[in-house]
Amino acid sequence: DVKVTQSSRYLVKRTGEKVFLECVQDMDHENMFWYRQDPGLGLRLIYFSYDVKMKEKGDIPEGYSVSREKKERFSLILESASTNQTSMYLCASSLRTSGSNEQFFGPGTRLTVL
Amino acid sequence: QKEVEQDPGPLSVPEGAIVSLNCTYSNSAFQYFMWYRQYSRKGPELLMYTYSSGNKEDGRFTAQVDKSSKYISLFIRDSQPSDSATYLCAMTRTGGFKTIFGAGTRLFVKA
Repeated sequence: DVKVTQSSRYLVKRTGEKVFLECVQDMDHENMFWYRQDPGLGLRLIYFSYDVKMKEKGDIPEGYSVSREKKERFSLILESASTNQTSMYLCASSLRTSGSNEQFFGPGTRLTVL
Repeated sequence: QKEVEQDPGPLSVPEGAIVSLNCTYSNSAFQYFMWYRQYSRKGPELLMYTYSSGNKEDGRFTAQVDKSSKYISLFIRDSQPSDSATYLCAMTRTGGFKTIFGAGTRLFVKA
């Protein structure tokens, strides 16, 4: 059974803290993605990576950075968490040769910044 | 204007009803049209996808794409309480990295 796992289901952090969200996939997918999901706004792409050490900004990269040192692992970093980063964070992966870019999602991390 | 528009609902129907979920889009370059289902406290999972125009059927689910109208639909026949979830439409260009998602329609099927 293919899987995308995320390090935490729920996280509570304080304003100004550095936050790490980890994502691991076991499907040998080249592409990995980080989204945030907010009511009424749907899924918004933060960053994606199409290969190890490669990263591309999505639609809302401000306040975030990413790291992809290994093919299976993609980390999202909030350098200095703020209350407007309270959200559901979803990681996904897809195969490079997939024309449809079919994505497999993790269960999500609900982050609350106080 | 958003690239993809989807009514967030909620949509509440009795068990056994036919459900129609819809999205409109503005970018004529989209070639793959997908529907994801997301249960509460879970990540989205792909339900169906269609390439270009036409219909695709899978059990109780039918996806339709009308590229001339830039309109896609998902029909659920004989809806069940287990179909209660948020349904997100999504679309992408051939070979594209970026998939654009609708906001999702929350569906409740009452027993």
